[in-house]
Amino acid sequence: EAQVTQNPRYLITVTGKKLTVTCSQNMNHEYMSWYRQDPGLGLRQIYYSMNVEVTDKGDVPEGYKVSRKEKRNFPLILESPSPNQTSLYFCASSGETSGRTGEQYFGPGTRLTVT
Amino acid sequence: AQSVAQPEDQVNVAEGNPLTVKCTYSVSGNPYLFWYVQYPNRGLQFLLKYITGDNLVKGSYGFEAEFNKSQTSFHLKKPSALVSDSALYFCAVSPLSISTSGTYKYIFGTGTRLKVLA
Repeated sequence: EAQVTQNPRYLITVTGKKLTVTCSQNMNHEYMSWYRQDPGLGLRQIYYSMNVEVTDKGDVPEGYKVSRKEKRNFPLILESPSPNQTSLYFCASSGETSGRTGEQYFGPGTRLTVT
Repeated sequence: AQSVAQPEDQVNVAEGNPLTVKCTYSVSGNPYLFWYVQYPNRGLQFLLKYITGDNLVKGSYGFEAEFNKSQTSFHLKKPSALVSDSALYFCAVSPLSISTSGTYKYIFGTGTRLKVLA
């Protein structure tokens, strides 16, 4: 089954404790992206990537890091989480390399709470 | 600033009636426009997109959207609403800027909650 998977689905952590949210897709997509969803703000793009070792900042990259060492994986790293990073996070991928015209396939989401 | 606006936080419609969820955009260049739907506790699902060509785009689950360049709008429509259409709907646009790597980023609207009443 073609899908985007994220782990963990739910995470409660404390301020400053480094964490990684994994994202993997099995569709051989080149374009991948991370979003956060907050009430009243919709989805905002954090980082995106068109291929291995190629990443770009979205609208809200502060406090986040990503890496793209393999085509299928695009982990989101919070080096020192803060309460304002409490949110619902989505990973997505697209079969259209640039991300411009292709629809995106979304993972099920990771609900992160930072206390 | 380049943006997408969904002016209604919530739209209520009776089952069987036509529905419209509004989206307007402000971007430079040619807009590529998308609609996605989010059901409770799920990720977003693609509904339809406008890239070029016919201004009326048909998508999944009987939804369609009309691209209006003069009004910079891309409203989502369905002739007859179902209770199962109740969900959160997002309009999105790309591209906004060309990065050094040649990729494009998305901007999503804030979402409109559609409630279809039986």
